[in-house]
Amino acid sequence: DAGVIQSPRHEVTEMGQEVTLRCKPISGHDYLFWYRQTMMRGLELLIYFNNNVPIDDSGMPEDRFSAKMPNASFSTLKIQPSEPRDSAVYFCASSFPTGERSGANVLTFGAGSRLTVL
Amino acid sequence: GQQLNQSPQSMFIQEGEDVSMNCTSSSIFNTWLWYKQDPGEGPVLLIALYKAGELTSNGRLTAQFGITRKDSFLNISASIPSDVGIYFCAGRERGQGAQKLVFGQGTRLTINP
Repeated sequence: DAGVIQSPRHEVTEMGQEVTLRCKPISGHDYLFWYRQTMMRGLELLIYFNNNVPIDDSGMPEDRFSAKMPNASFSTLKIQPSEPRDSAVYFCASSFPTGERSGANVLTFGAGSRLTVL
Repeated sequence: GQQLNQSPQSMFIQEGEDVSMNCTSSSIFNTWLWYKQDPGEGPVLLIALYKAGELTSNGRLTAQFGITRKDSFLNISASIPSDVGIYFCAGRERGQGAQKLVFGQGTRLTINP
């Protein structure tokens, strides 16, 4: 398996522009997570999906952020309009759920998308 | 959101030395995970712990799930240059959503050859 695939790996944009980050989870994983990593706040969970349905979006910082999962193999995280404080590395991760000893919660992360907003 | 207290924040050691880091929480956790992140990459799972008192090894790495369910530690024996990176603990609180993990702030490991 190719693992969790994220694109783009790097994005540099100007304040006010729309940013779309993309993720392809591991086939067969029915949980998908979006995390943001910064030096100040570490790894923060933004939102997660189960079977393409958003379960918990309490970590989404504000209305400028939105995430969708139109099918089991694709998700997007959109920031509109972007601001300099959104600069961070955004990680997508996926997992399968069943039972505590089957690997549940063992998230597999993508390589991340490094966003710089000027 | 909640963060775990992970220490130390950074370590500078000589190659061959043993390493120890730990994570604590104010609430009870029922899953502890340890990840390593290399520069420019996402975190990669090292060890998963599911039961209080559990001690699990993965090569030179050993991790334990604390008896109180509020802490975990990771040891690395005989460190080598490829151990350099950032180590994160992660846990799931008892009673929280099945898949919701919180992460520690990380321990940055630097090794002098």
